[in-house]
Amino acid sequence: DAGVIQSPRHEVTEMGQEVTLRCKPISGHDYLFWYRQTMMRGLELLIYFNNNVPIDDSGMPEDRFSAKMPNASFSTLKIQPSEPRDSAVYFCASSLRRVGEQFFGPGTRLTVL
Amino acid sequence: GQQLNQSPQSMFIQEGEDVSMNCTSSSIFNTWLWYKQDPGEGPVLLIALYKAGELTSNGRLTAQFGITRKDSFLNISASIPSDVGIYFCAASLNTGTASKLTFGTGTRLQVTL
Repeated sequence: DAGVIQSPRHEVTEMGQEVTLRCKPISGHDYLFWYRQTMMRGLELLIYFNNNVPIDDSGMPEDRFSAKMPNASFSTLKIQPSEPRDSAVYFCASSLRRVGEQFFGPGTRLTVL
Repeated sequence: GQQLNQSPQSMFIQEGEDVSMNCTSSSIFNTWLWYKQDPGEGPVLLIALYKAGELTSNGRLTAQFGITRKDSFLNISASIPSDVGIYFCAASLNTGTASKLTFGTGTRLQVTL
């Protein structure tokens, strides 16, 4: 079975540009999570969805960040405008109703110059 | 946000040695998970624990959910070079609708021949 799929794997952009990260969760999973990982702050939860509905976006750093889940098999995380401090690895994870067991994608390494 | 304290932060061991790491919190959780992350990849779930006192094995890995519900440990027996990576504990306090995970700070394991 395919795991969580993320694209692109690497993104290099210039400050001020819009960045869109994409995620396809594991088929049948009804929770989807977006995380950010940095050396300084570790893994931080940004937002999560249940049945395509955003449940908790308290981890989204500021209004420049937005996330959508238009259907059960696709989600996007958008940063507009991007800033150098947004440079990090962004992970998407999904899980079933059995709470706790989240399965992570390979991540998108974002570099904002 | 709240984090779990993992120790040690890093360790060098020789191939064949047993490894022990733990994770502590000031708060109670009712699910504990252990993940391993290889360079350039997302965290991979190793073991999930759902009951205080539970001891679970997965091959050479053994993990326990502390009786106080504030800690967990992970043991790796007879380490091999591919055990190299960063090990994260994660925990959640399920409220029926959410499955937010809090992550530990990570233990970096390096195995020498």
